[in-house]
Amino acid sequence: QSVLTQPPSASGTPGQRVTISCSGSSSNIGSNTVNWYQQLPGTAPKLLIYTNNQRPSGVPDRFSGSRSGTSASLAISGLQSEDEADYYCAAWDDSLNGWVFGGGTKLTVL
Amino acid sequence: QLQLQESGPGLVKPWETLSLTCTVSGGSISRSSSYWGWIRQPPGKGLEWIGTMYYSGTTIYYNPSLKSRVTLSVDTSKSQFSLKLSSVTAADTAVYYCARQLGSGSYGGYFDYWGQGTLVTVSS
Repeated sequence: QSVLTQPPSASGTPGQRVTISCSGSSSNIGSNTVNWYQQLPGTAPKLLIYTNNQRPSGVPDRFSGSRSGTSASLAISGLQSEDEADYYCAAWDDSLNGWVFGGGTKLTVL
Repeated sequence: QLQLQESGPGLVKPWETLSLTCTVSGGSISRSSSYWGWIRQPPGKGLEWIGTMYYSGTTIYYNPSLKSRVTLSVDTSKSQFSLKLSSVTAADTAVYYCARQLGSGSYGGYFDYWGQGTLVTVSS
């Protein structure tokens, strides 16, 4: 059971906008920033969003992140087939004194 | 461009110690604000953080669920950091990733560079 809660799956058609939620608590999302990672099939995770809503160089602006209270969300607009991947949220947990990850959301592009 | 590469045995016997090394190239392992960490992923499952250490080795954080079995270390002269996980069982079978954490976890840190991962199977 992951400390951060994500829906196991999400889907959309090309061009659509999809959102993936990440729910935590006051000791993690409620007090620390959230990062999102994208894991394409058979590859290592890649940093997608950091510090709640910042995109690393090279990440398209179709990807955006937000945080409110003890929850965060990742939005993908203009969905493309290459966005089909697993997405993980992560945050530092002050109670555990370590990183916690969400269970991951498998995004399918229909 | 920073590159990380994991190395170590792909097969470990139950109750033995898993040992992996991550070699950093294309940048300094001793860069300020750089922490070095390990994350694992059992087959078909999600990511689990194992531990993170500051480049100087002065600050180390361990996953509480693994703390009694994990040791992290760094060798800046070789641009390497290492993971040892003792008394392994089949539940420790996973792809192990090394990664750079930029910034402290409680101050907006994040894992920005990852190794490709190495599968370690625990079996007799």
